Amino acid sequence: GAGVSQSPSNKVTEKGKDVELRCDPISGHTALYWYRQSLGQGLEFLIYFQGNSAPDKSGLPSDRFSAERTGGSVSTLTIQRTQQEDSAVYLCASSLVSSGNTIYFGEGSWLTVV
Amino acid sequence: SQQGEEDPQALSIQEGENATMNCSYKTSINNLQWYRQNSGRGLVHLILIRSNEREKHSGRLRVTLDTSKKSSSLLITASRAADTASYFCATDEGRNSGGSNYKLTFGKGTLLTVNP
Repeated sequence: GAGVSQSPSNKVTEKGKDVELRCDPISGHTALYWYRQSLGQGLEFLIYFQGNSAPDKSGLPSDRFSAERTGGSVSTLTIQRTQQEDSAVYLCASSLVSSGNTIYFGEGSWLTVV
Repeated sequence: SQQGEEDPQALSIQEGENATMNCSYKTSINNLQWYRQNSGRGLVHLILIRSNEREKHSGRLRVTLDTSKKSSSLLITASRAADTASYFCATDEGRNSGGSNYKLTFGKGTLLTVNP
């Protein structure tokens, strides 16, 4: 597609439920990132995928969070047993592989846990 | 703590004035980027400056980088109401091992308000 596409745009879920957030990166971009942004805060790195390499999961806040990237394209971020502190905007981004390339962000998925 | 930290946290100016935002970071970098975010949604890339560059221009934007002080500044000249947004710096610590494996680290941003 023309840009990074994320779905859903907004999700309200009950505490304890699982949620899945989807990211469709720009075609041809081998690097994919997930970030989280709480209200009024900066971006918090969650996970980074690069081609067939093992993902960098160092930013995932707990084992309730997981992500996968199938076929080197679409990625899904899964949050199990959601908690209220998980409420945030989850931003996906993609880029070409080399350092110094522009990272293109999607519009984000706004998650509210009630 | 954040690798990139913007200063000030908030800035309010009149249309036509210049806006200067600063960013400090802690470790060595390959490059530094500035992004803009409207209404808490997706970020838009503004400009990238490499570690061996000192200044870069793009339209009304001017970015400087001082690696000795580990700081960067973003200057927006002749500001417009449409420039109202949050501005973030992001650094690339760049662990290039046989390809690339890096992630950008963002600061908390500067909220710029340009009053008509």
